[in-house]
Amino acid sequence: EIVLTQSPGTLSLSPGERATLSCRASQFVSSNFLTWYQQKPGQAPRVLISGASRRATGIPDRFSGSGSGTDFTLTISRLDPEDSAVYYCQQYGSSPLTFGGGTKVEIK
Amino acid sequence: EVQLVQSGAEVKKPGESLKISCKGSGYSFSNFWIGWVRQMPGKGLEWMGVIYPGDSDTRYSPSFQGQVTISADKSISTAYLQWSSLRASDTAMYYCARSYGDNNWFDPWGQGTLVTVS
Repeated sequence: EIVLTQSPGTLSLSPGERATLSCRASQFVSSNFLTWYQQKPGQAPRVLISGASRRATGIPDRFSGSGSGTDFTLTISRLDPEDSAVYYCQQYGSSPLTFGGGTKVEIK
Repeated sequence: EVQLVQSGAEVKKPGESLKISCKGSGYSFSNFWIGWVRQMPGKGLEWMGVIYPGDSDTRYSPSFQGQVTISADKSISTAYLQWSSLRASDTAMYYCARSYGDNNWFDPWGQGTLVTVS
């Protein structure tokens, strides 16, 4: 199975700053089948990005995804206090589907 | 609006059985896969398996094969996750979510069902 390692574990930044979250796969993720989710406390996850770089409907353009192969990045260009959450990557290029361990983004 | 509504929180004793549900609305329930995801307290997300309600084709994660049963009743647009004998380690939040394939991303998600085994 593909193991996804997310880093850093926690990111503490101020509003307006740029956040860069990493997701590294133990094997090649075919067709860049990688998704990013946001989970706020007490809520279900919601999709932000699919196919490594395609923003989901209604997601602000300050969220962007990039990468290919084994290295993927979620960038939040200008942090807003409402972006405080845990972010997970998930690969769907091979079975079983796997999730990364998550990166917690804290807003100072 | 596409929506998945899950059944309410459960408190059970070890050894008891349980079946939780996930009802879809706002789309053709039979034509999309439904997946189940576990989130243990304070932990990350784990894929359990998926089902295609149209024909009940089901796939399980190797980690959950034999531990749970996923089923669906397309006539009432509802998917299920069940246990025959719960353990304390089954305590978790369980989410259902719609998927475009047996190996795909999930959108939207249900609100979650908290299962406590104690």
